[in-house]
Formats: sequence, C-alpha cells, structure tokens
Amino acid sequence: SAVISQKPSRDICQRGTSLTIQCQVDSQVTMMFWYRQQPGQSLTLIATANQGSEATYESGFVIDKFPISRPNLTFSTLTVSNMSPEDSSIYLCSVGGRSGYRTDTQYFGPGTRLTVL
Amino acid sequence: AQTVTQSQPEMSVQEAETVTLSCTYDTSESDYYLFWYKQPPSRQMILVIRQEAYKQQNATENRFSVNFQKAAKSFSLKISDSQLGDAAMYFCAYLFQGAQKLVFGQGTRLTINP
Repeated sequence: SAVISQKPSRDICQRGTSLTIQCQVDSQVTMMFWYRQQPGQSLTLIATANQGSEATYESGFVIDKFPISRPNLTFSTLTVSNMSPEDSSIYLCSVGGRSGYRTDTQYFGPGTRLTVL
Repeated sequence: AQTVTQSQPEMSVQEAETVTLSCTYDTSESDYYLFWYKQPPSRQMILVIRQEAYKQQNATENRFSVNFQKAAKSFSLKISDSQLGDAAMYFCAYLFQGAQKLVFGQGTRLTINP
C-alpha cells in the first residue's frame, strides 16, 4: 500500500479562521479524496481532488467552504474556511490507483484532528 | 442510492475467541467491491479485507475472513483468535465499480476482554 502522510496531525483553531491540511503520497496515484469524520460518526466524502482541474464536491459540500488543490499526482490540500465549532472533526485523505496497484481500493492517511473553539 | 448498514454499534469478545461483525448493504448494481476497515484509537483507517462481488469465494486474510452472501446482500467479518490489538472501530464499506465514492456503514466498536 502507499505511504500517506498528513499535516498537521491535529490543531486547535479559533472560529472564523482557516486551516489548510496537506496530504502527501510517496508515489504517484490516480485518485485522491478528502473525507470528514464528525465526532462519533462514520466517514463522509467531501470531494474528489482532481489533478489539474477543479475538485468534484459531494452534495452538501461547497468549494467556498472547502477549497481543494491538487497540483500534481502526489500532493493535495484541503482548506477548511471560516471555521465554526461544527467543523470540529477528523479530516482524512485517501488515495487510489497507485501505479501497478488496483484502482478499486482506497488507502487512508493518518487523519487530521481539528478542534474549533 | 447505495446504503450500508451495521446493526451492531458495539461488540465484545474474550481474547482468543471468535467474533463476527455484521454488515448489510443495498444496491441495484451487480459489479462492486466490499471492504472492512479498522480504525483504532490512533484514528488511522486500516484496510482489513476486500471482496469483489463477482467472486463467489470468500476473502480471507490471516485471522480475518468474510462471509459474503450476494443474494442476501450481506457481508460479515469473522475475526478468529481475537487479540487485544484487534480492539477498534470496524467500518464496512461499499464501492460501485466505475465510481470512486466509498459508502461507509456507521461502524461497530469492538472490545477485546483479556
């Protein structure tokens, strides 16, 4: 499986501010995704990060609130903008389609625990 | 829309015993994949096992095996010889072939009693 890192691993932020989370993979991958896991809940897909084009957002998530970049095949960022306490969650990136590996299996980064005060 | 249901919010088992976690799903598709992920307190999502819907043979990975019943849309996970390190949240997930969106169940918290 791919080695996936996320920065920061955790953060505590004030409401109204923004935080950018980075996801780095050790090799080129076809697909990168961002998920949110609210406290005590399951995972929900925020968006698919597309290399060289705008991300594809799921229903209920908008670009102004969660802008995503993917400048190359190994790196992506998710920004949580104008944060409120309701944004307190774990944010996870996942990857799929590593060269030579199956495209139908996603592997997850270690997650970023965000607390908004 | 596809849905995944885990009806057991919590389960517990004695160390070295066997436990089965349940999962059902709803889909009209014929080609898809099913997964079990484990999330320990470290919050890392770890792939435990995967199953292709077109394969009748149940997947196995060491102490982990599944009972895949396609007609019943059931996908249970059996953990044999439970170890303390197996304690975690377990999520069942579905992926429709050609799509990339993983649909997760609500999770089952597994406790291992020494």
